[in-house]
Amino acid sequence: SQQGEEDPQALSIQEGENATMNCSYKTSINNLQWYRQNSGRGLVHLILIRSNEREKHSGRLRVTLDTSKKSSSLLITASRAADTASYFCATDSSGGSNYKLTFGKGTLLTVNP
Amino acid sequence: SQTIHQWPATLVQPVGSPLSLECTVEGTSNPNLYWYRQAAGRGLQLLFYSVGIGQISSEVPQNLSASRPQDRQFILSSKKLLLSDSGFYLCAWDRQGAEKLFFGSGTQLSVL
Repeated sequence: SQQGEEDPQALSIQEGENATMNCSYKTSINNLQWYRQNSGRGLVHLILIRSNEREKHSGRLRVTLDTSKKSSSLLITASRAADTASYFCATDSSGGSNYKLTFGKGTLLTVNP
Repeated sequence: SQTIHQWPATLVQPVGSPLSLECTVEGTSNPNLYWYRQAAGRGLQLLFYSVGIGQISSEVPQNLSASRPQDRQFILSSKKLLLSDSGFYLCAWDRQGAEKLFFGSGTQLSVL
């Protein structure tokens, strides 16, 4: 079964706006990762946040983690058309191994120029 | 630098035919290797992972098998494809203790 569930399933915004995607999960985690997938391509790792962290930044990306609510959010600021992609959260509940990394179904982000 | 190669990019196969997808990693040694399948509109399902030559762990019972004949080579196979085997197959690698996966570009398999 899916551990992470992204919300919304699809998001359409205008260039320059901010995009927020959410991820909820069910069991305790060691870390949560966000990946990006352009249509028909492989996934690319964006950012990882550990269970003892609450917020992390990388360029235009901001990730938050609320372990009490078992949820995370990914914020992309000042979006660009090139940010159009699917975004997946993945949770690690196994103690630091990617063997049991569980992916959600993803949020399809469309940034309109 | 490390790179991962996965081929072919697209494949159309008839039901009952065999399958062989290959993945190779360059620029690293003793990687962990993974095969994932992604159905349309869904997340990734881990099919197999390998921590070394000849060591394969299967996550779900299915019509597929995997082999690792060399340190940086991972092969996904089937003797007889089913319609339900259609999907987007992704190979990935990481190192022990690494905190992220590196994915190949994927193979879109259509079984007709």
